[in-house]
Amino acid sequence: NAGVTQTPKFQVLKTGQSMTLQCAQDMNHNSMYWYRQDPGMGLRLIYYSASEGTTDKGEVPNGYNVSRLNKREFSLRLESAAPSQTSVYFCASSGLKQGTDIQYFGAGTRLSVL
Amino acid sequence: AQKITQTQPGMFVQEKEAVTLDCTYDTSDPSYGLFWYKQPSSGEMIFLIYQGSYDQQNATEGRYSLNFQKARKSANLVISASQLGDSAMYFCAMREPGTYKYIFGTGTRLKVLA
Repeated sequence: NAGVTQTPKFQVLKTGQSMTLQCAQDMNHNSMYWYRQDPGMGLRLIYYSASEGTTDKGEVPNGYNVSRLNKREFSLRLESAAPSQTSVYFCASSGLKQGTDIQYFGAGTRLSVL
Repeated sequence: AQKITQTQPGMFVQEKEAVTLDCTYDTSDPSYGLFWYKQPSSGEMIFLIYQGSYDQQNATEGRYSLNFQKARKSANLVISASQLGDSAMYFCAMREPGTYKYIFGTGTRLKVLA
């Protein structure tokens, strides 16, 4: 009963380092998303992928890149991490449940950039 | 542009009592969907309930119900018979009409008192 799986759960980076956050879903969903959550700001959409082979910018895409590797996997890459990217990152996928498109979330990745 | 507003940063409720969490939204599109998610201290986002703009009746899901007032553009979450396990952050969200993008409010932190 995996759902949406994110790795790693925690990560500490130094400014300028790069890393990739991994996300995989086993619900056969077409759409996948990356959000960041900062205190007092709710969730903000970084990038999303409506279907395999497509990606689009969300509200806060600067400093990030994404890859929709296949239908199951959607990765988020920080090429040169900055302290402003310290946040909790959530991956989600969405699919129809009783005719409604519902988002399901991973457990999150807590990232600190020093 | 679409917007979700949650004006209550924090709420307290006595165990076994009902509580209403406020959510107002702004959209000019007649077709939209509204969602509520729960985020316990463990961090995961849990889908609770959905209301479509054309739904004739207010959505209910167990102890959760949605007080949907279309003219006032409000979609308040009502939790009946509060339990200690209901203590969490609650987020209201809207799917942007015609897209796969979701907008989240800033959340309300609910504390249930024994």
